Amino acid sequence: DTGVSQNPRHKITKRGQNVTFRCDPISEHNRLYWYRQTLGQGPEFLTYFQNEAQLEKSRLLSDRFSAERPKGSFSTLEIQRTEQGDSAMYLCASRQTGPEQFFGPGTRLTVL
Amino acid sequence: AQTVTQSQPEMSVQEAETVTLSCTYDTSESDYYLFWYKQPPSRQMILVIRQEAYKQQNATENRFSVNFQKAAKSFSLKISDSQLGDAAMYFCAYRSYNAGGTSYGKLTFGQGTILTVHP
Repeated sequence: DTGVSQNPRHKITKRGQNVTFRCDPISEHNRLYWYRQTLGQGPEFLTYFQNEAQLEKSRLLSDRFSAERPKGSFSTLEIQRTEQGDSAMYLCASRQTGPEQFFGPGTRLTVL
Repeated sequence: AQTVTQSQPEMSVQEAETVTLSCTYDTSESDYYLFWYKQPPSRQMILVIRQEAYKQQNATENRFSVNFQKAAKSFSLKISDSQLGDAAMYFCAYRSYNAGGTSYGKLTFGQGTILTVHP
């Protein structure tokens, strides 16, 4: 069991640039979640995939955000035209049929 | 919509002592899960303990136990015999029991409590 992995671990970008993050869930997990965590706060739900289908998106996910999960394996989260308010930790979690979600280490985004 | 509130931004405890972290939540649902997650500095979040709302018995996992008061919508975490490795941010989280519909098993988190353990 290699756990949930996320890449990159840290990303520094300039305002207006596009960034893409990747999440590799635990191999047999067909359910995948993205959360955003700002400094000193709890994670907030962004979006949910079951296999390759994106079944729910939070209103936090503006038009500049897009997520994909081709073939129901890894997932990517892209932010276009980054803003300073996008600076946060982006967490990925996966699960199979049980209630527990297994989290990755996160990608910390800093927008200058 | 469900909300989770952790009213203690920071707590501290002496090594080997006991500490209790508080959590309250609001929901109109009768069946749900409650979790405590631990997030050490610069490390990934891990599950500490889970409670199903339909179970009257409080969950325990070694040194960790909960006090689940369903009527009061309260879910506190007790850490006994605190260790230096317990130092972390602790999050209380809520999940609907049914993972279908508009829930899909997503977690709603509280704001977190930073726990410091003094040697």
